[in-house]
Amino acid sequence: DVKVTQSSRYLVKRTGEKVFLECVQDMDHENMFWYRQDPGLGLRLIYFSYDVKMKEKGDIPEGYSVSREKKERFSLILESASTNQTSMYLCASRSGLASTDTQYFGPGTRLTVL
Amino acid sequence: SQKIEQNSEALNIQEGKTATLTCNYTNYSPAYLQWYRQDPGRGPVFLLLIRENEKEKRKERLKVTFDTTLKQSLFHITASQPADSATYLCALDLRGYSTLTFGKGTMLLVSP
Repeated sequence: DVKVTQSSRYLVKRTGEKVFLECVQDMDHENMFWYRQDPGLGLRLIYFSYDVKMKEKGDIPEGYSVSREKKERFSLILESASTNQTSMYLCASRSGLASTDTQYFGPGTRLTVL
Repeated sequence: SQKIEQNSEALNIQEGKTATLTCNYTNYSPAYLQWYRQDPGRGPVFLLLIRENEKEKRKERLKVTFDTTLKQSLFHITASQPADSATYLCALDLRGYSTLTFGKGTMLLVSP
């Protein structure tokens, strides 16, 4: 079974802090994604990566950056956390570029910025 | 602009009945559509994929239909059970690069 793990289930940070959210997948998938999920807004794509050291902006990249130094690991970075970044963050991975491939999600990190 | 719409109000049904959830999309002709289930506090889990040339797909008690003329997919759960209570999301490849855009989801509540 594909496993996508995220470094923390719950995280509390202060405004202005630099925050790292880590995601690891164990199935050698090329594609990895970061979403945030908010009530009434659904899942929104922040960034994605289709290969090591490659990254593409999603729909809401402002205030975030990403890093993919190894195929299995995709990190989301909040350079200076703000209260409007309080959200549930979900990482996902997907094999290949075939549009019919299943997307596998991690358990999520609920981030609170005070 | 391209949009995916799912009923925002929760669907309440009794155990044993068939639940039907709707996913509508605009300004796009997707090659396929996916359905996911999400439980509270957890990530979505893939359920079914249906291609544009498939009218219907089944998996156990689940059935998905895809009408590209109406730009609509229906997701059915027959003989529903309280354990089916969750939020169900549909997803389309709207922006390319194998990225999925998700609807906001519909919450299903099955009461005993």
